[in-house]
Amino acid sequence: RKEVEQDPGPFNVPEGATVAFNCTYSNSASQSFFWYRQDCRKEPKLLMSVYSSGNEDGRFTAQLNRASQYISLLIRDSKLSDSATYLCVALGAGRRALTFGSGTRLQVQP
Amino acid sequence: SQTIHQWPATLVQPVGSPLSLECTVEGTSNPNLYWYRQAAGRGLQLLFYSVGIGQISSEVPQNLSASRPQDRQFILSSKKLLLSDSGFYLCAWSPSESRDTQYFGPGTRLTVL
Repeated sequence: RKEVEQDPGPFNVPEGATVAFNCTYSNSASQSFFWYRQDCRKEPKLLMSVYSSGNEDGRFTAQLNRASQYISLLIRDSKLSDSATYLCVALGAGRRALTFGSGTRLQVQP
Repeated sequence: SQTIHQWPATLVQPVGSPLSLECTVEGTSNPNLYWYRQAAGRGLQLLFYSVGIGQISSEVPQNLSASRPQDRQFILSSKKLLLSDSGFYLCAWSPSESRDTQYFGPGTRLTVL
């Protein structure tokens, strides 16, 4: 079983739609969580950290459910520029580096 | 501000040839440095990380090696490339006091033929 699992998609949504991605992690000792965005053939870039209480950054809302070991990302009012692959990331206790999911591809259509 | 550079951006190499990819970071001291590989359609796999000069930890046994000859320089090497070494190689750094937030370089796309 992968440490971090995501639905690969693609999610095809119209502009203005609300879309949600979920991600599950298997290491219950994981301490920190993030969402990264990766455009085609580019490097991943940090989108936002995920806090236990949930956090929002503009149109983006991230939530963490430690009991169920899942993380979510909600994008409201989708823009064409939101089209990308979204990577769910966890950092386990005592680990040196991040564990990445394989990513969920989002395609926002006009 | 901090910046991270990688080169070359693209590389096509024959099987059995050597490899050297370079990563440098500017604007910070004693960063943690990482090498990841992303195969086509797959997630990022951590290959090596380093917390200081000459200190390299390997996450996955393979025919690749890494070195850190200077504080802000990280090199990925191979003596003989395999077809399976093809992929997108990404260098990343994080502040020495934190492993959480990592910043990625632009990557090197390697094709082994």
